[in-house]
Amino acid sequence: EPEVTQTPSHQVTQMGQEVILRCVPISNHLYFYWYRQILGQKVEFLVSFYNNEISEKSEIFDDQFSVERPDGSNFTLKIRSTKLEDSAMYFCASTWAPWQGSSPLHFGNGTRLTVT
Amino acid sequence: KNEVEQSPQNLTAQEGEFITINCSYSVGISALHWLQQHPGGGIVSLFMLSSGKKKHGRLIATINIQEKHSSLHITASHPRDSAVYICAVIVTDKLIFGTGTRLQVFP
Repeated sequence: EPEVTQTPSHQVTQMGQEVILRCVPISNHLYFYWYRQILGQKVEFLVSFYNNEISEKSEIFDDQFSVERPDGSNFTLKIRSTKLEDSAMYFCASTWAPWQGSSPLHFGNGTRLTVT
Repeated sequence: KNEVEQSPQNLTAQEGEFITINCSYSVGISALHWLQQHPGGGIVSLFMLSSGKKKHGRLIATINIQEKHSSLHITASHPRDSAVYICAVIVTDKLIFGTGTRLQVFP
């Protein structure tokens, strides 16, 4: 069964550094998402992406964050200048049609980001 | 106040018991997901519902749109069902997540 893949599985970076988290969604999916989960807390929505543009973003997704689909297969999340509080598990997800019951949401295994 | 509330937060059960996890939400939604998060952190979608009831194996999910409430039932629970179960609602193009219910099933 096709799956969403995320790399790396764990990223350690120093405060102030830029990081890029990579995701390869399922190939025929049209809607892409990033979520994060700070340790011990609930999963939070960051951004949704459709038709090569952001369709919705949360208050968390400020100017330090950006997303790109550079080549039709990868979907990246960039954090320009990381802060300690960006340490979390970041999940990528994709679906073909979010409103259709026959099109479930597929999650990647996550990238654990540790900012020191 | 959270837009999506789950109860209970923690649940322990003996193998074979019938489990119910509840989710209430306060916003207008187009659909609702039940997700399972295993100790390693990976998230799997169990169900997506916009009305009525769905069944998959020992899992049953129901939703009442008028009452803004959904339930996830596990029949004949098994230790491998131990995980965090998360209710998440679709509002426009985003998912709003509940805090999750941590289920432990003991042999």
